[in-house]
Amino acid sequence: SQQGEEDPQALSIQEGENATMNCSYKTSINNLQWYRQNSGRGLVHLILIRSNEREKHSGRLRVTLDTSKKSSSLLITASRAADTASYFCATVPGVQGAQKLVFGQGTRLTINP
Amino acid sequence: DADVTQTPRNRITKTGKRIMLECSQTKGHDRMYWYRQDPGLGLRLIYYSFDVKDINKGEISDGYSVSRQAQAKFSLSLESAIPNQTALYFCATSSGTGTTEAFFGQGTRLTVV
Repeated sequence: SQQGEEDPQALSIQEGENATMNCSYKTSINNLQWYRQNSGRGLVHLILIRSNEREKHSGRLRVTLDTSKKSSSLLITASRAADTASYFCATVPGVQGAQKLVFGQGTRLTINP
Repeated sequence: DADVTQTPRNRITKTGKRIMLECSQTKGHDRMYWYRQDPGLGLRLIYYSFDVKDINKGEISDGYSVSRQAQAKFSLSLESAIPNQTALYFCATSSGTGTTEAFFGQGTRLTVV
């Protein structure tokens, strides 16, 4: 079964607003990553947060991680039409040797001009 | 040129046919992965390889096989294609530790009729 589950499954907001997507996971992790996918294209890495980190920023992106709740959130500030895409969280399990990315189902984000 | 190249990009094949999807990378990464994406289900791991002599099954390996011909090449085969293998297939690579990002190919859209 999928390790990560994103919430909401779909989000539609107006350009300029902030977009928040959440990810929950089931087992301990080494790190959690967020990826973006434009329609039908390959995934592109956005940001990685390690299990001992609580918050990380990259440009208009802010990621938080709460390991006690096994959850993460991705905030995109001042959204743009070009941010329209699907966003996936992916976890690397904390079990020794299990270093493979396990993806959630994704959040489909639509930014309306 | 893309760092991770998948061929073909699109393929329509008949039920029962054998088909091979190819992936090559110029990243110099040891780790390579094959994922399958279905609408609303995110990415599911089919097979992964940590080096040429190391092949591992993912969560949905039944009906698939792989070959790691070289560090840079990782092929996915469907021995006898069936319609429910219709999906978007992605190859990805990452460096050795699992704490870094994965790089994805542009995907192969496979339709089995």
